[in-house]
Amino acid sequence: DAKTTQPDSMESTEGETVHLPCSHATISGNEYIYWYRQVPLQGPEYVTHGLQQNTTNSMAFLAIASDRKSSTLILTHVSLRDAAVYHCILTGANTGKLTFGHGTILRVHP
Amino acid sequence: EAAVTQSPRSKVAVTGGKVTLSCHQTNNHDYMYWYRQDTGHGLRLIHYSYVADSTEKGDIPDGYKASRPSQENFSLILELASLSQTAVYFCASSDGNSQNTLYFGAGTRLSVL
Repeated sequence: DAKTTQPDSMESTEGETVHLPCSHATISGNEYIYWYRQVPLQGPEYVTHGLQQNTTNSMAFLAIASDRKSSTLILTHVSLRDAAVYHCILTGANTGKLTFGHGTILRVHP
Repeated sequence: EAAVTQSPRSKVAVTGGKVTLSCHQTNNHDYMYWYRQDTGHGLRLIHYSYVADSTEKGDIPDGYKASRPSQENFSLILELASLSQTAVYFCASSDGNSQNTLYFGAGTRLSVL
């Protein structure tokens, strides 16, 4: 699976909209983009995923660049509960074998 | 109510001892996984299973065995625990139609002394 690059950390304030970037310049045509988040002392939580089109669900909006070399996870009206490490993961096979990197630490201030 | 339950939540073991970590899921999922996480690092896959009574090796299987006696239960066994196996262990499950959408348990914090 191709490699992703994310910033080490980002800061936000409650109520703001946060844009979490992920770069994946060598993504293959069959690779999906998955986002998970993890808070301390808990397991990772699935956020969203996409292949080519932008997607949205109750947790976030995923914007995928037209060339698929980057994507952005957009969190609206963030709260303190959104503070977590956000992982951008690429996977081409439907196997459940995910490779987690360091992710982006999102800090949310009151 | 948690759909993937791990036990124990934490454990202290002695070097050379046997450790069994248990995982139970109520998602009715066919696929189950064991990952480990070391402090400050991402998760790494140890073993996984597609069906009861069958297990597969993940990326770092050395020193670990797995057992899947039923669809709901998946155990990770450390026959001879070592210091290097001190970590947090996460169990997860997924269904056949979306295997990459994993549902994780809360983790087991293992300290080997």
